[in-house]
Amino acid sequence: EAGVVQSPRYKIIEKKQPVAFWCNPISGHNTLYWYLQNLGQGPELLIRYENEEAVDDSQLPKDRFSAERLKGVDSTLKIQPAELGDSAVYLCASSQTERPGANEQFFGPGTRLTVL
Amino acid sequence: SQQGEEDPQALSIQEGENATMNCSYKTSINNLQWYRQNSGRGLVHLILIRSNEREKHSGRLRVTLDTSKKSSSLLITASRAADTASYFCATDNSGNEKLTFGTGTRLTIIP
Repeated sequence: EAGVVQSPRYKIIEKKQPVAFWCNPISGHNTLYWYLQNLGQGPELLIRYENEEAVDDSQLPKDRFSAERLKGVDSTLKIQPAELGDSAVYLCASSQTERPGANEQFFGPGTRLTVL
Repeated sequence: SQQGEEDPQALSIQEGENATMNCSYKTSINNLQWYRQNSGRGLVHLILIRSNEREKHSGRLRVTLDTSKKSSSLLITASRAADTASYFCATDNSGNEKLTFGTGTRLTIIP
């Protein structure tokens, strides 16, 4: 069974440029998460989707971040414009249940973003 | 914000020894999970322990949960070089529909 797929794995951009990350969750997983992980820290939730609906985006900086999950399968996270402080690893995860903590989450390898 | 705090932040032991990591949290929980993250990789789920459980085993892993002290421990027995990774606890908090991760323990197994 294929795991969570993310692309690109690495991205280097200059500040003020746009950037987009793509995630394809495990087949059949209705719940999709985007996390931000700073160096030496644990992941922090940015947004959670149930199918195509964003049910928790309270931690998403909406002035520059946006996300979509058309058709309730794969998802895209965008930053426009990027700032130096956005340098981090962006992780995508998926799970089968609607309750985020009820079962394990399956993580992709992440996209490491460097903003110069 | 981080809910859990792992202790120690870093741990180095000889291969074959046991490794113990601790996690403390602040609010009541439904369950607590432990994840492993190898360098440059995503997180991998290790074990889930529910709030009404006190101890759980999975292979060389043993997890305990003390809800009165709001703490959990992860024990890895007979460590191997492949156990070198960062370990995170994550709490499913009562009334809060999200999984909140701690700051992690970086474990290094010396061959």
